[in-house]
Amino acid sequence: QKEVEQDPGPLSVPEGAIVSLNCTYSNSAFQYFMWYRQYSRKGPELLMYTYSSGNKEDGRFTAQVDKSSKYISLFIRDSQPSDSATYLCATKAAGNKLTFGGGTRVLVKP
Amino acid sequence: GAGVSQSPSNKVTEKGKDVELRCDPISGHTALYWYRQSLGQGLEFLIYFQGNSAPDKSGLPSDRFSAERTGGSVSTLTIQRTQQEDSAVYLCASSGGGAQSFNEQFFGPGTRLTVL
Repeated sequence: QKEVEQDPGPLSVPEGAIVSLNCTYSNSAFQYFMWYRQYSRKGPELLMYTYSSGNKEDGRFTAQVDKSSKYISLFIRDSQPSDSATYLCATKAAGNKLTFGGGTRVLVKP
Repeated sequence: GAGVSQSPSNKVTEKGKDVELRCDPISGHTALYWYRQSLGQGLEFLIYFQGNSAPDKSGLPSDRFSAERTGGSVSTLTIQRTQQEDSAVYLCASSGGGAQSFNEQFFGPGTRLTVL
């Protein structure tokens, strides 16, 4: 079993809809939780990170962490075609090594 | 400013050949990471350099894989006697590696390796 599980999708939504993404993890030592966006043939770029449980909002993006159920989520409001990409969740414990989920491919249709 | 750069962007090689992949981190970043991304998969950690400390090699899949970082800057990932299962995108990242509790990793565009 992978330490971080993520549905590969693809997830197809109409423009303007809410995109809901999630991951589960198994290691209780994970303290930081991140979401990366990766466009085709590009490196991942950090969207948001949260420390421990709770919500964090940044513009159209909201990240949620529930450490009790080891569940992390990303919501994208008012989705745009430019949001079409692969979204990767990642976690880390006290060190710097990141553990990634497999990524969810998202397609926002105009 | 300049981001993380990697070369070559694409590499096609024959099974059994050795390959070298290069990473130029962001200037001043003390931490450097190598990851591997297979088709449709997430990133798999390979190796991590932090300053002058001994590298964390815990993610290297076999002894055919090695990496070095010269002068605390440029890094080279070497794969000897390549196999078809080595085909993947190899991504490099760097971070400030300072005393902060969270150090954002900035990724390069990757090297797409194809082993025939």
